[in-house]
Amino acid sequence: NAGVMQNPRHLVRRRGQEARLRCSPMKGHSHVYWYRQLPEEGLKFMVYLQKENIIDESGMPKERFSAEFPKEGPSILRIQQVVRGDSAAYFCASSPWDTQYFGPGTRLTVL
Amino acid sequence: KQEVTQIPAALSVPEGENLVLNCSFTDSAIYNLQWFRQDPGKGLTSLLLIQSSQREQTSGRLNASLDKSSGRSTLYIAASQPGDSATYLCAFPPAGAGSYQLTFGKGTKLSVIP
Repeated sequence: NAGVMQNPRHLVRRRGQEARLRCSPMKGHSHVYWYRQLPEEGLKFMVYLQKENIIDESGMPKERFSAEFPKEGPSILRIQQVVRGDSAAYFCASSPWDTQYFGPGTRLTVL
Repeated sequence: KQEVTQIPAALSVPEGENLVLNCSFTDSAIYNLQWFRQDPGKGLTSLLLIQSSQREQTSGRLNASLDKSSGRSTLYIAASQPGDSATYLCAFPPAGAGSYQLTFGKGTKLSVIP
């Protein structure tokens, strides 16, 4: 059973571009969570999704950020019009119910 | 607001030493507490999960304790090995938030010198 997969592992964008981060949960897991780790900071919860539903997006910035977990395919975290402050590691986790299993993360660099 | 502090921020020890990592939190009303290890480029691996009703958990050379009344958890690593070198994070879902909403400390970066 493959672990949580995230791609790309590294992503470079220029200011104003869009970033799309993908997360494929472990087989059989229907819950997905996104966290952000800014430089020198701890991981911060962003959003919790189940298939086709956003359960809790209380940690997501109100503008430019969106997330989805469609019926088919990976979960997507989308950042529009990126700014330098978006540079961070973005981690996805999945769970069958409560224990979260983390992916390797996507390192986003905004030039 | 829940504050989480991990001390020390970095630690370097010779191989074979026993060591203790600390995690402090301000609000004692937590559901459970987990210790993770973070390896560069490899994400997070869960090491131990302590439920709020438990005092400690053990796995191999690792032992984690939880004292909610004092707002502290410790991770004890016995007979450290170079392969233990990583960043160790404590995390828990704060009371009042969803049990899935983990709050993380900034971590302790451990280096075990051969």
